[in-house]
Amino acid sequence: DGGITQSPKYLFRKEGQNVTLSCEQNLNHDAMYWYRQDPGQGLRLIYYSQIVNDFQKGDIAEGYSVSREKKESFPLTVTSAQKNPTAFYLCASSKSGGSYEQYFGPGTRLTVT
Amino acid sequence: AQSVTQLDSQVPVFEEAPVELRCNYSSSVSVYLFWYVQYPNQGLQLLLKYLSGSTLVKGINGFEAEFNKSQTSFHLRKPSVHISDTAEYFCAVSPSFSGGYNKLIFGAGTRLAVHP
Repeated sequence: DGGITQSPKYLFRKEGQNVTLSCEQNLNHDAMYWYRQDPGQGLRLIYYSQIVNDFQKGDIAEGYSVSREKKESFPLTVTSAQKNPTAFYLCASSKSGGSYEQYFGPGTRLTVT
Repeated sequence: AQSVTQLDSQVPVFEEAPVELRCNYSSSVSVYLFWYVQYPNQGLQLLLKYLSGSTLVKGINGFEAEFNKSQTSFHLRKPSVHISDTAEYFCAVSPSFSGGYNKLIFGAGTRLAVHP
């Protein structure tokens, strides 16, 4: 079955530590995205990538970093510079072009204490 | 720039009753329109999308939506809801000329609660 996997489902970290969230897709999509979801705020775009070895900042990129070394993989690192990292993180992918819908992974819930 | 307003943060409804979830958008360019559903602690799943053509769009699970260009609305409807429809619903728009990726702008979501 084609789809997007995110791991782990739940992640706990101490304040001041960097943490990397995994996102893998086998849909052969060129574009990949990371969103942050907070209660009552919908989804906000952190980073997106249209092609391997290229990525762009979204609306709330501060305190986050990404890499896109393979078409299938788009890991997100939440750094210690992110002031409020506790949230639900969603990865998505799509074919190139605005008419194509995004396919979402199951999400990772990060809790930082 | 585009923006999306979902007019109701929560909609309670009894099982087998009809429901309408309202969505208005603002954009200076033409857009594509989407409705997604999110069940608790899961990712989003596409319900339906409007690209062009007929303004009434049918989606999965018996949902449909109507695009109204003059009112810049894209309301989601279902004639008879089930308990299993309890979820959060997101309206989203994408500029029709955004280059090589789908730049989705999401509304804040509407939580649909279906009661027996």
